[in-house]
Amino acid sequence: DAKTTQPTSMDCAEGRAANLPCNHSTISGNEYVYWYRQIHSQGPQYIIHGLKNNETNEMASLIITEDRKSSTLILPHATLRDTAVYYCFVRVGRLGVNRDDKIIFGKGTRLHILP
Amino acid sequence: GAVVSQHPSRVICKSGTSVKIECRSLDFQATTMFWYRQFPKQSLMLMATSNEGSKATYEQGVEKDKFLINHASLTLSTLTVTSAHPEDSSFYICSAKRALGETQYFGPGTRLLVL
Repeated sequence: DAKTTQPTSMDCAEGRAANLPCNHSTISGNEYVYWYRQIHSQGPQYIIHGLKNNETNEMASLIITEDRKSSTLILPHATLRDTAVYYCFVRVGRLGVNRDDKIIFGKGTRLHILP
Repeated sequence: GAVVSQHPSRVICKSGTSVKIECRSLDFQATTMFWYRQFPKQSLMLMATSNEGSKATYEQGVEKDKFLINHASLTLSTLTVTSAHPEDSSFYICSAKRALGETQYFGPGTRLLVL
């Protein structure tokens, strides 16, 4: 799987949009971009994933650049409950599903929502 | 949605005893489950990959005789910490992957304290 790089930490004011960047310059054509987050003392929570088109769900939006070398996770109206560590991964998608593929966690981005 | 549960959520045991942690996929079948460990202020560390009906694959440095993994059905995997010691105190998290899908869903975690 391609490697990703994320800023160590970010601050965002409550009610504003939180934009979390991720670089994945070595991404392959069949690799999806995935985002998870971990709130303190809880298991990681799936947020969203995408291949090349922008995606939106009830939690967030995912913007992937045209060359797919980077992406941005957008939390449109951040609340204090969004304080967490956010992880970006790139992984082979369904067509190339590997039964033993695994997520190796990096350090992620620690997002602080400021009241 | 895809829900993964863990039991117990918290356990305290004496040094030298064994502790079993259960991971269940509640609304989907999971041919693959993963076990992670997380120490305070650190990221999740993958311990092993568990495929239903076969032996688990352990990551380098993880003792297979100490951390026994059983994945006997498509909805249940267990992790047994044998002869637990204080240094095994940690947050243990499982995840599960649908048979034909890609997204991994994580359990809420089990906090183990060995006295």
